[in-house]
Parts: sequence; structure tokens; C-alpha cells
Amino acid sequence: DIQMTQSPSSLSASVGDRVTITCRASQSISNFLNWYQQKPGKAPKVLIYAVSSLQSGVPSRFSGSGSGTDFTLTISSLQPEDFATYYCQQSYSTPRTFGGGTKVEIK
Amino acid sequence: QVQLQESGPGLVKPSQTLSLTCTVSGGSISSGDSYWSWIRQHPGKGLEWIGYIYYSGSTYYNPSLKSRATISVDTSKNQFSLKLSSVTAADTAVYYCGRDTLTSFDIWGQGTMVTVSS
Repeated sequence: DIQMTQSPSSLSASVGDRVTITCRASQSISNFLNWYQQKPGKAPKVLIYAVSSLQSGVPSRFSGSGSGTDFTLTISSLQPEDFATYYCQQSYSTPRTFGGGTKVEIK
Repeated sequence: QVQLQESGPGLVKPSQTLSLTCTVSGGSISSGDSYWSWIRQHPGKGLEWIGYIYYSGSTYYNPSLKSRATISVDTSKNQFSLKLSSVTAADTAVYYCGRDTLTSFDIWGQGTMVTVSS
């Protein structure tokens, strides 16, 4: 199985801050990397697919980058509605695997 | 637009079989452009992919479930289902169904909480 490791596991930030979350795969996954946002009591929602493609309807303050094994999700200016938990996920192979999550909290 | 909705018992006794159904609306499960997945989330924890099925019936399961999971499809009802046998308290989780486009899980159900307890 491909292990996905996210860091940090949690962070505190203020509205307007630039936030960066990293995800590392245990082997190369090419560009098969997705990012999800999950709010309490809700299902995850895809933000970015294939490393850097923005899902329809997702604000442009979200961006993704990387290739191979190392990937980054960036929120350019954190908004109140962005406080949530973020997960990376590889779709390179089965079993599909997710990172452990990064909880973004209000500072 | 395509929507997914999970249904099934919220309480299952240990050693019994958990059974859930996901109903697809707004589109056909037989469209051929997607796989249909089950994913679970233990309380306060991360996401675990259980497996997926194609409309033709071909399946793939996460080996971590040790062959306890069975996913089936009913194209006439536009539904797919999960059965998880020999459940224990460790199977207590929110269970989601989702559409896997082979790029991402782009559509999710709202999730259903299943508790394993006597």
C-alpha cells in the first residue's frame, strides 16, 4: 500500500494568513494526488484533483503543487469558512489511501 | 447533478453482518465512467477506503478488511451495497459512499453512523 503522510497534523492560523500543508507519498504517485476539505459532521469535499486542478466552485485562494512524492496545498489568504480538516489522497493505485489529516484551527 | 444517499441500520451486534446501501440519483450507476466506493471514518479519526465496484460487478477491496467486505451492485435500482461480516467494536464508524472517477472521489453521500454494540 502507498502510505500518505501529512504535516503538520494541526495548525493555528489567523484570518488572512497564508497556510501551507504538505503531503508525502511513500512512493512516486506521479500526479495522482487530491486534496479534500472536511468540516465537522460533514462528508469530505474535493478541493483539488490531479495535484493542481481546482474542482469546480472552489475558490481560487486554494492551490496545489508538487509531483512524484511531495505535494503541497496552499491557502493564500485564510477565510473564516476555511477552518476545517484537510486530507490528501492518492488515486495512483488501489487500495486508495488518505493522509492522516491536518486540522486548521483559529488562532 | 448526481447525488448519493446511504441507508441501513445504525446499530449492529458484534459478530453480525453490517449491511448498507447507497442509492444513486440524478445519474446512472451504469454510465461506465466511474467506480462506486465505500469509505469509512472511525470517530475522530481519518478516512479508510473499503473498496469499490464497477457497474459490471467487478470489485476491488482493501486487504486491511481481511476479506470481510463484499460490495454488490443493482443497476436496476441504481444502487450499490456493502456487507461487512463478523463486525466488532472496531468497525464502529461513519460509512460514506462515494463516486470514484479514477481521478478523485468527486461526489460523496452524507454518511451514516454505524455503531457495533450488543
